[in-house]
Amino acid sequence: AQTVTQSQPEMSVQEAETVTLSCTYDTSENNYYLFWYKQPPSRQMILVIRQEAYKQQNATENRFSVNFQKAAKSFSLKISDSQLGDTAMYFCAFEIGNQFYFGTGTSLTVIP
Amino acid sequence: EAGVAQSPRYKIIEKRQSVAFWCNPISGHATLYWYQQILGQGPKLLIQFQNNGVVDDSQLPKDRFSAERLKGVDSTLKIQPAKLEDSAVYLCASTRYRDNTEAFFGQGTRLTVV
Repeated sequence: AQTVTQSQPEMSVQEAETVTLSCTYDTSENNYYLFWYKQPPSRQMILVIRQEAYKQQNATENRFSVNFQKAAKSFSLKISDSQLGDTAMYFCAFEIGNQFYFGTGTSLTVIP
Repeated sequence: EAGVAQSPRYKIIEKRQSVAFWCNPISGHATLYWYQQILGQGPKLLIQFQNNGVVDDSQLPKDRFSAERLKGVDSTLKIQPAKLEDSAVYLCASTRYRDNTEAFFGQGTRLTVV
């Protein structure tokens, strides 16, 4: 079975600080993609960052970076220099064969 | 490119009534998904289409939910009759290629069943 676990239902961070959101997953497949999606109150899910499982190098997208540990099946998201606009639900997901598996989300609040 | 379009954005109905949601994916996207997202939870796949064929509808409550994508472009999801537990956000998403690509989401329809 394919599962995604996000163990932090809620987190908060001071503006301009750094925060890390955790994600672990389980799959027996070897080739897949991993994603972090952001869902602000407007409800639209927006892609934050993605990682190909076959790449060892961690993906980076401006203030967002991941720590991908394939053997441990861990895929954490680091947000640097947090901004008020980062306040949202964050979902970890992975994709195999065009099917997506989502975690339960982490609600992040950036405090001014 | 235009994003995934969904309508309506909000819908309030009484239990046992019927409701329909519409989704128009990004042009050229072959795969379309309908997800149900209950408050505080992650999206749960209801049905996945590849063009106009169903790839996965294993979690679709077929006694009350139905979906179609007749021409392989836009899609409708229907609930009949609705139950209180159907209150959720219904998200539509689409992907460009067959494998290994991000999903693009619409803004969702918030359904409240009273």
